[in-house]
Amino acid sequence: EQQVQQSPASLVLQEAENAELQCSFSIFTNQVQWFYQRPGGRLVSLLYNPSGTKQSGRLTSTTVIKERRSSLHISSSQITDSGTYLCAMEPNTGYQNFYFGKGTSLTVIP
Amino acid sequence: EAAVTQSPRNKVAVTGGKVTLSCNQTNNHNNMYWYRQDTGHGLRLIHYSYGAGSTEKGDIPDGYKASRPSQENFSLILELATPSQTSVYFCASGDVGGYTEVFFGKGTRLTVV
Repeated sequence: EQQVQQSPASLVLQEAENAELQCSFSIFTNQVQWFYQRPGGRLVSLLYNPSGTKQSGRLTSTTVIKERRSSLHISSSQITDSGTYLCAMEPNTGYQNFYFGKGTSLTVIP
Repeated sequence: EAAVTQSPRNKVAVTGGKVTLSCNQTNNHNNMYWYRQDTGHGLRLIHYSYGAGSTEKGDIPDGYKASRPSQENFSLILELATPSQTSVYFCASGDVGGYTEVFFGKGTRLTVV
């Protein structure tokens, strides 16, 4: 069973548009992280957001634990934002055994 | 600077051969992980470790072994490589409890022919 579902699977934006990426979980969690990956590249942690709203630069994540979902808002997109955004959750084991969604592939065009 | 280094970065192996993927971390993290990433499946956890001498099975451990001889090093071993194990493998490190940013290596592209 896929424990982490992400939507949309892919997204194309024009530069300066905003993006909203969604993540839902099959079980409750209080450990949610968002990662970024360039094609063929390593994963880079963007935001850790167990609950509520967290912001880092142009990125804002909102996690609603009781509804088992998290979102990532990218404002004023830039061409360099293109890549895959992955949501991950840790099922409350305390050992950071993260389960990942399949990702949202974002392409920002001029 | 925190770092996770994987070697080799690329590997071509023959079916039935033994493959060892190595991972070294300088983060002094207790936990280390091996994932594989495949199109359509995303990242899946193969093995993980809580510290030197410990290895635990993840979601897809069949066909893989792991070894954690020290805090810094974590290896993934394919005793009898098969074409279905062709994938990109990522190693990561993190800490126990609470939140610590998880650091990933650059990945190893393994092709089994």
